[in-house]
Amino acid sequence: AQSVTQPDIHITVSEGASLELRCNYSYGATPYLFWYVQSPGQGLQLLLKYFSGDTLVQGIKGFEAEFKRSQSSFNLRKPSVHWSDAAEYFCAVGGDSNYQLIWGAGTKLIIKP
Amino acid sequence: NAGVMQNPRHLVRRRGQEARLRCSPMKGHSHVYWYRQLPEEGLKFMVYLQKENIIDESGMPKERFSAEFPKEGPSILRIQQVVRGDSAAYFCASTTRGGLQETQYFGPGTRLLVL
Repeated sequence: AQSVTQPDIHITVSEGASLELRCNYSYGATPYLFWYVQSPGQGLQLLLKYFSGDTLVQGIKGFEAEFKRSQSSFNLRKPSVHWSDAAEYFCAVGGDSNYQLIWGAGTKLIIKP
Repeated sequence: NAGVMQNPRHLVRRRGQEARLRCSPMKGHSHVYWYRQLPEEGLKFMVYLQKENIIDESGMPKERFSAEFPKEGPSILRIQQVVRGDSAAYFCASTTRGGLQETQYFGPGTRLLVL
């Protein structure tokens, strides 16, 4: 069955430190991969997406993600986090065979001053 | 340029009542997706609609739930005879065209609480 796993429910990092949020997926076809961010009480905003081509994808707000087919992973990274990055981050996977996105359970990012 | 609008933002219903959730897509968007988010969980796809058509409703519960996207007006997600398990956040997203290559723009959600 198709699935997305975000192993970390919470992650705490210091402001200015680097960040990596993990995402592993199980999908039979060629995956479309997405990272979204959700601020408290708000909807979701797309950070970046991967369909094909260069496996290192640049997104908004200084985020990037790398698709590693051999590891079925699409980890999100940022070299230096800001207090405003505190939010919940969701990884999602889909494919061109349907209209559905399969979502991970999310990782809550906490920033220490 | 207004984004995706959802109303109400918060909705309280007693068991057995009906809940109607509205979603107005971004201007120029004719495709709408509805998702449900239970506490501490990710989003679950419910239904995908174009104007006047349901394209994929495979994520909708078979009973009590229905959705529509009329030619004029917002998309409506309707839950009849609500139960406590329906308490969740319901999000809609819209796109200009179909297919997952199109970026989905999300509304702020409706938080439904069933007492």
